[in-house]
Amino acid sequence: ILNVEQSPQSLHVQEGDSTNFTCSFPSSNFYALHWYRWETAKSPEALFVMTLNGDEKKKGRISATLNTKEGYSYLYIKGSQPEDSATYLCALYNQGGKLIFGQGTELSVKP
Amino acid sequence: EAGVTQSPTHLIKTRGQQATLRCSPISGHTSVYWYQQALGLGLQFLLWYDEGEERNRGNFPPRFSGRQFPNYSSELNVNALELEDSALYLCASSLGLAASSYEQYFGPGTRLTVT
Repeated sequence: ILNVEQSPQSLHVQEGDSTNFTCSFPSSNFYALHWYRWETAKSPEALFVMTLNGDEKKKGRISATLNTKEGYSYLYIKGSQPEDSATYLCALYNQGGKLIFGQGTELSVKP
Repeated sequence: EAGVTQSPTHLIKTRGQQATLRCSPISGHTSVYWYQQALGLGLQFLLWYDEGEERNRGNFPPRFSGRQFPNYSSELNVNALELEDSALYLCASSLGLAASSYEQYFGPGTRLTVT
C-alpha cells in the first residue's frame, strides 16, 4: 500500500525567504508524482507532474525534484511572496486512476 | 477554456437523506474522478468513471455511487447519509484511458454538511 508523507505540516515564512517542503514515499511503485497548490475556497491547481528518477521541473520561482531511489520529492519556492500562501499537496498516481495524496504542507508567507 | 465545475457549492442534508453532487469536466476530457476530504484527513479517492463506465472505486461503502452521462458529466450519489459523510467532495477530470494521461484537473468542490 502506497503511503505519502509530507513535511512539515505547516510553515510560516517572511516575504522574500526561500523555502522547501518534502514529500516522501516508501515505494517507487507508481507512475507519476504530482504537486498541487491549493488555496482556500479554490480548486487545487496542478503545479508539476514528475515521472522519472532525477526529474526536475521549474515554473517561475517554484521548482521540484524527484528521487525515486531514495523515496522523496522536494518542492522549492524561491523568494516567497504572500500570494504563495496555500496548501501544497503531493500525490502519487498509481494504477486505477487513483491519486494517493499526502496531508499537505500549509505555507503562510507574511509580508 | 472553462475548468471543471461542480454544483452545488454547499449542500446541507439530514442524516438518512440522499445527496446528489454534480460535476462537469473540462471539454474533451472523458474521465471523471471523485475524491472526499473529511475533516482532518487528506483527499481520499472515491470513484473513477471513463467513457460512461465505472473503472475503479476506493474503499467506501456501497452507499456511495455515481454515474457518468454521455456528455461525460457525472453525478455522485450518497445514500442513507451519516454524520461522518460531512466533507468536501472534489471532482477532477482528465483526458482518460485512451490518452494514458496522468494529469487530473480539479473543480472547486461541494461542501456537504450532514446534520
